[in-house]
Parts: sequence; C-alpha cells; structure tokens
Amino acid sequence: DAGVIQSPRHEVTEMGQEVTLRCKPISGHDYLFWYRQTMMRGLELLIYFNNNVPIDDSGMPEDRFSAKMPNASFSTLKIQPSEPRDSAVYFCASSLVGEQFFGPGTRLTVL
Amino acid sequence: AQSVTQLDSHVSVSEGTPVLLRCNYSSSYSPSLFWYVQHPNKGLQLLLKYTSAATLVKGINGFEAEFKKSETSFHLTKPSAHMSDAAEYFCVVSEGYIPTFGRGTSLIVHP
Repeated sequence: DAGVIQSPRHEVTEMGQEVTLRCKPISGHDYLFWYRQTMMRGLELLIYFNNNVPIDDSGMPEDRFSAKMPNASFSTLKIQPSEPRDSAVYFCASSLVGEQFFGPGTRLTVL
Repeated sequence: AQSVTQLDSHVSVSEGTPVLLRCNYSSSYSPSLFWYVQHPNKGLQLLLKYTSAATLVKGINGFEAEFKKSETSFHLTKPSAHMSDAAEYFCVVSEGYIPTFGRGTSLIVHP
C-alpha cells in the first residue's frame, strides 16, 4: 500500500479564495482524521470519520471549514473563504485498530 | 476522559548521550499509548506502541518506552542520541480508536 496520500502537497492562495484539500486513506482503514498543525497551536484534531460518517467535528474552527467523505477511499477538507490565519500544515490520517498512519501533509499559505 | 502531558517542550542533549522524553497520561480505562516522531517538514511516523502486552516496548531507531501504570507514565528513552534523532516527538493516549496527542517535545541534538 502507498500509505495515506494527500494532495496537493503545497497550496498558495489569496484571501477569499476557496481551498480544497484531498486525502486518500489506506485501503481497509475505517477511521479518517483531519488535523491542522501550526507553531502557535500545535497539532489540532479538526474532524474524524468512521465508516465514511462524520463522528465529531467539534474541532472545526468555524463554518468556513467543511469536510466530506463520499466513499471509503476519498475525503476532502474545504475552506471557503480562506483567510491568512488558516495558513498551516493540514494532515490526514487513517486507522483501523487505533494506530494512526499519517499522510505527508498539505502546507497551505493564504496571502 | 483521557489526557496526556509531555513534561518538557524542549530537550537538549549531546550526540552519544542518553535521551529521556517524559510523558504522563490520564485515562479511565486501560489505554493504548504511542510515541510518534516528526522530522522537519515531514509527516508523523509511529515510533512505538503499547497495547497491554509487555510493559517495555521497543521501537524503531533504538528507542524504547516503559509503561508504568502506578506512575501513569510512558517515558521514551534511547541510550545514545544521534544527530538524526533531532525532531519533534509526540506522546499519544487512546482509550479506543480516538487518540489524544500531547503538545510535543522538541529534541535538540548537539554535535
């Protein structure tokens, strides 16, 4: 297996634009997590899914953020409109029995 | 409820000397415990995990950790630090499939 795949690896956009981050989990994993990492706040859990169903989105900062998992092999995290304070590295992780496997991350810069 | 505390935000050692990264946890049940490592501009990689088997757990790159229930600790150690060990280390507790991450400890290795 190729591991967790995230795209794009880097994204630079202007304030107000829509940003979509993509994740392909490891095949067979039934949990998928989205995290955000910044120097100021460290690693934050935004939302997680179990069997494609969102379970807890209490970490999503505000309504500008949304996440979907239309099937077991794909998830998106969307920010609309984006703001400079959204600049961070966004990680996707998947798991089956507790151990999480992380993707390489998407480095988002909002100008 | 589960929580995890990494007692040091930064640890500085000289190459060839022992490494100790401290982690205390709180859990209502018998938790699983993990250590992850994150090298600069990389994703998180699993170092080792404890899942109620042997209390002394060996991981990759010469790291090990000991689960001490009486002290609610899961400290990470390595006998001899290498320059390549310089990274951010995260202690994680999980009562089920949902983990809680510590704030991280930055390991600095001096030549």
